[in-house]
Amino acid sequence: DAGVTQSPTHLIKTRGQQVTLRCSPKSGHDTVSWYQQALGQGPQFIFQYYEEEERQRGNFPDRFSGHQFPNYSSELNVNALLLGDSALYLCASSLAERSYGYTFGSGTRLTVV
Amino acid sequence: QQQVKQSPQSLIVQKGGISIINCAYENTAFDYFPWYQQFPGKGPALLIAIRPDVSEKKEGRFTISFNKSAKQFSLHIMDSQPGDSATYFCAASSTGTYKYIFGTGTRLKVLA
Repeated sequence: DAGVTQSPTHLIKTRGQQVTLRCSPKSGHDTVSWYQQALGQGPQFIFQYYEEEERQRGNFPDRFSGHQFPNYSSELNVNALLLGDSALYLCASSLAERSYGYTFGSGTRLTVV
Repeated sequence: QQQVKQSPQSLIVQKGGISIINCAYENTAFDYFPWYQQFPGKGPALLIAIRPDVSEKKEGRFTISFNKSAKQFSLHIMDSQPGDSATYFCAASSTGTYKYIFGTGTRLKVLA
């Protein structure tokens, strides 16, 4: 039973560019959340998708957007990249009921130069 | 009020010792407190979680102690092993929201 799969694992982009990160949730999970983890910090909530809709959003600018597909997989898009966007981006899947807890992927390491 | 404060930032323990990591919160609406373990290059993995209706929860060598009046909770790792060397995060969330608020992490090193 595959866990949460994220791609790519590493990515280097230039300031001002756009990037798309992808996530396949754990089998049986229907909800996908995205977190940003800066070096040496805890993960920060970006947003959560359920039933192909953004259900809740954290304190991130509109440059961060997402999508969830009918098969529950998800994309995170970041436009107009800034140096400060360099971080590990984590996808977490869960069942709609929060209490079941997240299963995290290994993340995508984004470096903006 | 949305913060979860975690301490210490780093911890070194001898093999077989007890590792203790503490977290404090302000938001009394928080009602779910998980602990995550993260190895380098990996995503966080759920270790153990507790709700405020119990004061302690134990799973193997890992125990969460919860003090509702003090708004504090802690993770105890008994008989710490070198394989426990990782970064540990506490987190909190509340009913009606879907996000977790994470602490800043504790880097644990267990010496062989």
